[in-house]
Parts: sequence; structure tokens; C-alpha cells
Amino acid sequence: DGGITQSPKYLFRKEGQNVTLSCEQNLNHDAMYWYRQDPGQGLRLIYYSQIVNDFQKGDIAEGYSVSREKKESFPLTVTSAQKNPTAFYLCASSISGAYEKLFFGSGTQLSVL
Amino acid sequence: GDSVTQMEGPVTLSEEAFLTINCTYTATGYPSLFWYVQYPGEGLQLLLKATKADDKGSNKGFEATYRKETTSFHLEKGSVQVSDSAVYFCALQNYGGSQGNLIFGKGTKLSVKP
Repeated sequence: DGGITQSPKYLFRKEGQNVTLSCEQNLNHDAMYWYRQDPGQGLRLIYYSQIVNDFQKGDIAEGYSVSREKKESFPLTVTSAQKNPTAFYLCASSISGAYEKLFFGSGTQLSVL
Repeated sequence: GDSVTQMEGPVTLSEEAFLTINCTYTATGYPSLFWYVQYPGEGLQLLLKATKADDKGSNKGFEATYRKETTSFHLEKGSVQVSDSAVYFCALQNYGGSQGNLIFGKGTKLSVKP
């Protein structure tokens, strides 16, 4: 079945540590996105990529980095510069130019030890 | 800038009750409007959408009508079920804004009791 796979489901980060969240899709979508969800808040866009080897900052990119070396993969690194990383992270994808419908993964809950 | 405002939750209803979740928006131009649903521990799923004024989106018994005069997109269902318990997000996408950027409301948690 086609879809988006995020891993791990739960992740713990120590102080000063970088961690990487995985996002893989087999939908042949050109565009991929990372959102952050905090309790009682809407989703906020971290980074997005419309095509391989290209990506743009969203509204809250500070303390995060991404890469897009393959169409299927869009990993997100939460760096030590992100001082409040505890949140639920959601990856999504869409057909490029068709902004109407995003397909979401099941999310990764990141917590700080 | 563009924004979405949803009624605050949580909303608790008995099975078969009528549901309304209010959503209003602020945007320039003619945005597309969406309702997404998030079941516990999962990502979001598109529930319904409307792309122009007076359009009605519908799916799984849920409906919402794009009202440009009141800048609203309220979600309704005539008879809720326990399985409808989830968080509902209203969202807009303005083609004049950042590419790919959906603007989400804060979400409204719905709990349906048997």
C-alpha cells in the first residue's frame, strides 16, 4: 500500500544532542513537508521541499535542518540549537502543484530527557 | 496575514447528537478551505474541502459550506458516533501565499460518549 512512513514513533533526546526523524513516502509525490504540533496548538510548518535537492524554510525553521537527496525521503534533524524540541512532528507529502490535499504520516513524538 | 480561528474545545457530546464546530478565517483573495481530522496517535487525514464560495464539502456524514460573506466554514454532522471522537482542524490555503503552506486552526477536540 502507498503511504508515508515516519520513524521512530517515539524518540528521546538528551541535552546538546542532535536527533534525526525519518520520513519516507512511496506515493511518487514531488512535494514533502515537516510540521510541528504542540498540545492545543495548530500545526506549524518547519520546512518544505517541492523537488529533490531543493527545500525552503517554513515559519519555524530555526534549530532544524533537512535534506532532500531522494524523492522518497525527507529527513528532519532537530539540532541542539532547538531549545524547546518536545513536540509531535508530522511529515506530509503532496503532488507538486496540487496543494489541495496533503497526505500525512502517523507522526513522531519527540521528548527531551 | 492569513489566519484561521476555531471554537475552543473540548466538545463533549452524546451519541446521535448534532455537531457544529465553528471556523472563521481571515485571508486575502479566494482561499481554499479544508477540514482535517486527527484520530488519537495518528497523523491528519483530509475530511472535506471547498475551493470556492458557496461550495459545500461533504464526507462521512460531515458537511461544511464555504461562506465568503461571513468568512466561515463551519463543520456539521447530524448524528455523531463514538468513532467520530478525534481532533478536528480547519485550514486554509491561499494560492497567493507561501507555496505548500496550509494555515491551520488550533484544533477542536471532540469526545462522543455512548
